[in-house]
Amino acid sequence: EAGVTQFPSHSVIEKGQTVTLRCDPISGHDNLYWYRRVMGKEIKFLLHFVKESKQDESGMPNNRFLAERTGGTYSTLKVQPAELEDSGVYFCASSPPRGPGAYEQYFGPGTRLTVT
Amino acid sequence: DAKTTQPNSMESNEEEPVHLPCNHSTISGTDYIHWYRQLPSQGPEYVIHGLTSNVNNRMASLAIAEDRKSSTLILHRATLRDAAVYYCILRAPSKRYILDQFYFGTGTSLTVIP
Repeated sequence: EAGVTQFPSHSVIEKGQTVTLRCDPISGHDNLYWYRRVMGKEIKFLLHFVKESKQDESGMPNNRFLAERTGGTYSTLKVQPAELEDSGVYFCASSPPRGPGAYEQYFGPGTRLTVT
Repeated sequence: DAKTTQPNSMESNEEEPVHLPCNHSTISGTDYIHWYRQLPSQGPEYVIHGLTSNVNNRMASLAIAEDRKSSTLILHRATLRDAAVYYCILRAPSKRYILDQFYFGTGTSLTVIP
């Protein structure tokens, strides 16, 4: 079974440009998450989709970030316009729907974004 | 979510056991204890989780203190491939039974010495 995949693996853009990151979760996983780690900081939650609906977007830093998950399959995270402080590694994770208790999130390898 | 405290770094000799501690003194009764690790240039990966009892799986063991205010991840025989940052995370079950976000701390960077 394929794991969570992310594209591109690395993106270098200039300040003010637009970048779109893509995440393909594991098939059948309703839950999809975006996280990021900016330079020298901890991994931080951005948002959570359940199928195509945004369940929690409390971690989105500002309105320059737009996440979508049309059809409840893959997701995109667009940064427009990109700023220098957006540089970092963006992780996507997915998990299947389950009942109460502790669960496992499956992470992708991340997209390294460099804004110059 | 309750806060976790871990040492910034630890070293271990190859093929020796490693005990990675985590303090979570403000844990609530329903919080699960998760451990994830992140190998270089990879995303975090699940290691183990538990609630009250000690847990074992193919990767590691998790020892949970009786008062649940601390836990220890045990790698029984460290290999060079175990060199990673290990994160101890507390996760409260969502009332709506939907998996929620994880809060990562700074983690412990484990160095395995050949």
